[in-house]
Amino acid sequence: GIQVEQSPPDLILQEGANSTLRCNFSDSVNNLQWFHQNPWGQLINLFYIPSGTKQNGRLSATTVATERYSLLYISSSQTTDSGVYFCAVDPGGYQKVTFGTGTKLQVIP
Amino acid sequence: NAGVTQTPKFRVLKTGQSMTLLCAQDMNHEYMYWYRQDPGMGLRLIHYSVGEGTTAKGEVPDGYNVSRLKKQNFLLGLESAAPSQTSVYFCASSYTKGTQYFGPGTRLLVL
Repeated sequence: GIQVEQSPPDLILQEGANSTLRCNFSDSVNNLQWFHQNPWGQLINLFYIPSGTKQNGRLSATTVATERYSLLYISSSQTTDSGVYFCAVDPGGYQKVTFGTGTKLQVIP
Repeated sequence: NAGVTQTPKFRVLKTGQSMTLLCAQDMNHEYMYWYRQDPGMGLRLIHYSVGEGTTAKGEVPDGYNVSRLKKQNFLLGLESAAPSQTSVYFCASSYTKGTQYFGPGTRLLVL
């Protein structure tokens, strides 16, 4: 099956810093999503981004499908950004989704 | 709208017992999914459904069964629980393509 690798696995930031999270995938995909799992376990969808660039406030994402990677940018990080960020891909278009192992982010005051 | 809800929130089972996890969504979504999340890992797809009356296997279907008798509900069954099924179970739903919306999760401990 498709392989999804995320980097870095762990990241500690000072509040206010910027960061870039990366997701590499081993095959072409029909869709790609970024999720945030907060410290209480709730999963929140951030972006549905099979290609191109999207922005939502301090967060933005870019997917370059031809090169099989996606980037999640977090600017001016806040402590509430802490948690685990997951990339999830669907190679076949049937929503049979494969998740990466995540990037654990800790933002310290 | 309640979104996606899961019942129960937490359960302890003994090996060999059976149970059913209920997922309900009020967004009229066609697709529904069951995932499990183990420590330090991402989510793995157990089963999914592309519409009422349909189900399909995901990445880790063994030991689980599902049913989608009503569009708004997706049930996950464990016929004979094993300690390896200790995990956090998440349900999600979506339109045919696009954003998946997740429930709050069910913590299951099998002794």
